[in-house]
Amino acid sequence: KAGVTQTPRYLIKTRGQQVTLSCSPISGHRSVSWYQQTPGQGLQFLFEYFSETQRNKGNFPGRFSGRQFSNSRSEMNVSTLELGDSALYLCASSVGQLSSSPGELFFGEGSRLTVL
Amino acid sequence: GDSVTQMEGPVTLSEEAFLTINCTYTATGYPSLFWYVQYPGEGLQLLLKATKADDKGSNKGFEATYRKETTSFHLEKGSVQVSDSAVYFCALSDLGGSGGYQKVTFGTGTKLQVIP
Repeated sequence: KAGVTQTPRYLIKTRGQQVTLSCSPISGHRSVSWYQQTPGQGLQFLFEYFSETQRNKGNFPGRFSGRQFSNSRSEMNVSTLELGDSALYLCASSVGQLSSSPGELFFGEGSRLTVL
Repeated sequence: GDSVTQMEGPVTLSEEAFLTINCTYTATGYPSLFWYVQYPGEGLQLLLKATKADDKGSNKGFEATYRKETTSFHLEKGSVQVSDSAVYFCALSDLGGSGGYQKVTFGTGTKLQVIP
């Protein structure tokens, strides 16, 4: 079974630009969650999508957005990039339903964003 | 709301030393508890889990017991190896929103460095 795939793995942007990150979950998984990881703030929850609907949202500004497609693939977008957005962005997939392995997440290797 | 507190790192141990990483939690319901591990340059991966009180999760020589009376899930290993050097995250999964899904809450992570 293929794992969670995130693209691109590394990218460099400048302040004010926008970026789109992609996540392909494990086949059969309908839930995709996004996290931001930085040395200072640790692992912070951005949002979760299930069956194309945002089900849960963290405390991030509106510049951070996401969506999920009918095949469960997800994208997140960050507009008007700031230096503080430099981070490792992790995507995690799960079955997403109460009856199956509750809370067990499968993570991708992340997309490392550097904002100059 | 739910929260997870784990000991600050970094923790530095010599090879073959005994490891304990403390984790306590606050939850409104009956959560499942997890330890995830992140090796350098990788995403998180599930290390072990416990779904009810007094359950013991174990994997790769690591163990943790779900203690409801002390709301704890401490990670232990009898003899660490250099290859265990990584960041360890304690997490819980509880009912979110209207109760229709599981919401995962992570601790801040504890970095373990094992020296030969």
